Amino acid sequence: GENVEQHPSTLSVQEGDSAVIKCTYSDSASNYFPWYKQELGKGPQLIIDIRSNVGEKKDQRIAVTLNKTAKHFSLHITETQPEDSAVYFCAAAVNTNAGKSTFGDGTTLTVKP
Amino acid sequence: DTEVTQTPKHLVMGMTNKKSLKCEQHMGHRAMYWYKQKAKKPPELMFVYSYEKLSINESVPSRFSPECPNSSLLNLHLHALQPEDSALYLCASSQDMVVAGLNEQFFGPGTRLTVL
Repeated sequence: GENVEQHPSTLSVQEGDSAVIKCTYSDSASNYFPWYKQELGKGPQLIIDIRSNVGEKKDQRIAVTLNKTAKHFSLHITETQPEDSAVYFCAAAVNTNAGKSTFGDGTTLTVKP
Repeated sequence: DTEVTQTPKHLVMGMTNKKSLKCEQHMGHRAMYWYKQKAKKPPELMFVYSYEKLSINESVPSRFSPECPNSSLLNLHLHALQPEDSALYLCASSQDMVVAGLNEQFFGPGTRLTVL
């Protein structure tokens, strides 16, 4: 089955700096890669996703890149703000069965004011 | 209405109790999910309903029994749970389970379950 590894497990940055979280996956059939943000006491929230037919996707301060050959994808947050502090999960799934996403173990991001 | 609601927010139950968790969405989504999340871990998929039919059961013990009464509601019936079942139970929904572009999942806030 699919295996997703996520690094780092914790990340601390100063407000205004950039943050990068990396994930690798094992199943070459995976072609859908969502990223979730989970704040304390809340459910995960989809913040961005990418499908394997594109290499990069951007939404304001958030971007995701995908390298299918190397089987890795990354989340980039620029101009970080304290409200970006949360746990971030990457996931990988076969597009036609996205209900069975395999999650990474999560990254706790702390943005210091 | 663009949210998934879950009740109750917190639940404490004994090992002999029977209780139910409820999930509701009014986005017209036809796929609904139950996840279990332990502290500092990612969500683990338990069940998926697609068009009100159970599509995925991730080998969940029978003490957890899902039910989808209609396209907006999802229940999780609990009976004879163990202390290790204590966790955050998350419900999610998506427009469709398999159609690309329609399978983004929207999560509810979860029910924090404690089994004594």
